[in-house]
Amino acid sequence: GDSVTQMEGPVTLSEEAFLTINCTYTATGYPSLFWYVQYPGEGLQLLLKATKADDKGSNKGFEATYRKETTSFHLEKGSVQVSDSAVYFCALGVQGAQKLVFGQGTRLTINP
Amino acid sequence: DVKVTQSSRYLVKRTGEKVFLECVQDMDHENMFWYRQDPGLGLRLIYFSYDVKMKEKGDIPEGYSVSREKKERFSLILESASTNQTSMYLCASRGVGRDDNEQFFGPGTRLTVL
Repeated sequence: GDSVTQMEGPVTLSEEAFLTINCTYTATGYPSLFWYVQYPGEGLQLLLKATKADDKGSNKGFEATYRKETTSFHLEKGSVQVSDSAVYFCALGVQGAQKLVFGQGTRLTINP
Repeated sequence: DVKVTQSSRYLVKRTGEKVFLECVQDMDHENMFWYRQDPGLGLRLIYFSYDVKMKEKGDIPEGYSVSREKKERFSLILESASTNQTSMYLCASRGVGRDDNEQFFGPGTRLTVL
């Protein structure tokens, strides 16, 4: 079945460090891929998405590239800020299905 | 902007009580979803609805039921709450006709069952 595997957390970095959160997936169709972010005490917000192979999603300095050959959608940011502290979820949506499949989430803490 | 609201941010109930969690969306979306979120498990789909009065079981429907009498409102019901249903509950909605599966989430309800 469809599944998403995320890098285990928690991840702790210093401000201005480079961030990578790994995400790989298994899907039977041609999925869309998403990164959602959950700030403390809030629901999930869409951070970025990509709908086909080689697409790059970007937002707020974060980027992720849809790599079909490695079935990956790793999240990167060149210089993190304290305000990026949150839980990040990778998710996939298979075309023709209404559901999203989520990874387990990665808690990120950025220290000043 | 799409807005999804949930009736309570925090709820404390006793074992055996009947619990209603309400979700309302204002974007005329056809699809609505209920998830529970637990540490280390991510989000797991409980039920979803693709139209008024229509519902489908998700991955963990046991102990839950849902109701969708109006397009904008989707209710999650715990018929007899148990301590293992203590969790964060997230509602989401999605419009059809999109080429992706993007969902819009509410702020969540943290339910504690004592």
